[in-house]
Amino acid sequence: QVQLVQSGAEVKKPGASVKVSCKASGYTFTGYYMHWVRQAPGQGLEWMGRINPNSGGTNFAQRFQGRVTMTRDTSISTAYMELSRLRSDDTAVYYCTRDQIWGSFDYWGQGTLVTVSS
Amino acid sequence: QSVLTQPPSASGTPGQRVIISCSGSSSNIGSNTVNWYQQLPGTAPKLLIYSNDQRPSGVPDRFSGSKSGTSASLAISGLQSENEADYYCAAWDDSLNGWVFGGGTKLTVL
Repeated sequence: QVQLVQSGAEVKKPGASVKVSCKASGYTFTGYYMHWVRQAPGQGLEWMGRINPNSGGTNFAQRFQGRVTMTRDTSISTAYMELSRLRSDDTAVYYCTRDQIWGSFDYWGQGTLVTVSS
Repeated sequence: QSVLTQPPSASGTPGQRVIISCSGSSSNIGSNTVNWYQQLPGTAPKLLIYSNDQRPSGVPDRFSGSKSGTSASLAISGLQSENEADYYCAAWDDSLNGWVFGGGTKLTVL
């Protein structure tokens, strides 16, 4: 069965960086785009970007350009999202999610809470 | 302020039919397909409807989606208490070159 398992919660200080991992299993990792979506406390969903695990190519939401990096390690079927220059309003649950067909996200990780606080 | 506009709340009694709307523009809903997600409290979102009106396997046919022009709708018939959740619409936006979500609708079963 398809599973996306994310790394654990993180607490970071403003200005620091955070790297969240997402280990995929149960399917061919390189066959589906992986997206990252975040959700601030009590707020809605926000798309951050995506990575093509086959080529490594990425696309990011405009508001995260220059601050987000998405990479993958195909040998261990794991995708990574790194967000730099963290601010307090980056406090959120970060999800990885598999793209079934053109932006329909059929499997989701359990979420990783990133707390940014001085 | 979300690019796609949803009512913040909706409600219904068990057995009723509820419709949740999602309004966009020509750069998103007007030219691309719409997906819907259900998020139960404390859990990750779940794909409910994709490509405007397609249900993934395992999603009951009580859930249906439609699109017309720059708006889309999610209908839930035979409302059940377990349907209490937040519902989000999403679509690709040609101007922003990215996926955009609605602000979410909190459904309450009275």
